Amino acid sequence: NAGVTQTPKFQVLKTGQSMTLQCAQDMNHNSMYWYRQDPGMGLRLIYYSASEGTTDKGEVPNGYNVSRLNKREFSLRLESAAPSQTSVYFCASRLQDLNTGELFFGEGSRLTVL
Amino acid sequence: RKEVEQDPGPFNVPEGATVAFNCTYSNSASQSFFWYRQDCRKEPKLLMSVYSSGNEDGRFTAQLNRASQYISLLIRDSKLSDSATYLCAASRGGSTLGRLYFGRGTQLTVWP
Repeated sequence: NAGVTQTPKFQVLKTGQSMTLQCAQDMNHNSMYWYRQDPGMGLRLIYYSASEGTTDKGEVPNGYNVSRLNKREFSLRLESAAPSQTSVYFCASRLQDLNTGELFFGEGSRLTVL
Repeated sequence: RKEVEQDPGPFNVPEGATVAFNCTYSNSASQSFFWYRQDCRKEPKLLMSVYSSGNEDGRFTAQLNRASQYISLLIRDSKLSDSATYLCAASRGGSTLGRLYFGRGTQLTVWP
């Protein structure tokens, strides 16, 4: 079972370059999320999509854009990468955007911005 | 102030020990609580949901104290395989329905 699949798993960018992180889930989940994880900071929510066609900002949205392409796919775009965006990015999904319910994570994408 | 606070540790305990982690949350509107486990360089995975009455799953016990706004995780008879980072998480309703806030994680190392 694939679950949540993220690509790429590793990426090195130069400051100012752009890139898109792709995420797809095959569990028929309605809600999808992008987190970043930095040492000592824990997981912080960047953007989320409660359902197909909607997106909302999380705790740290600046410098990012998202697209909920369809029910399966939720992409995260860095238009002009900065060194402060060096991080591990996790995509996650769950059945519904409710208080309960398990969040399933992808394996993570390690991004370095030089 | 962060929504969810955890002692980062590290906690280093021998096999067979009992270890407890606490996690505090700042928003009294928080409604649902979870413990996730994260192995080194891996994604977080749900360990337990935390219910008002407390819940137990084998060697793991989770409790919620709404009055003091904290949740706890107790691990009995620690195994080497319990070595990981434990993340607590809280979500609240209203306009931020479903948004899950994570603590920074508590690192546990179990030694033989």
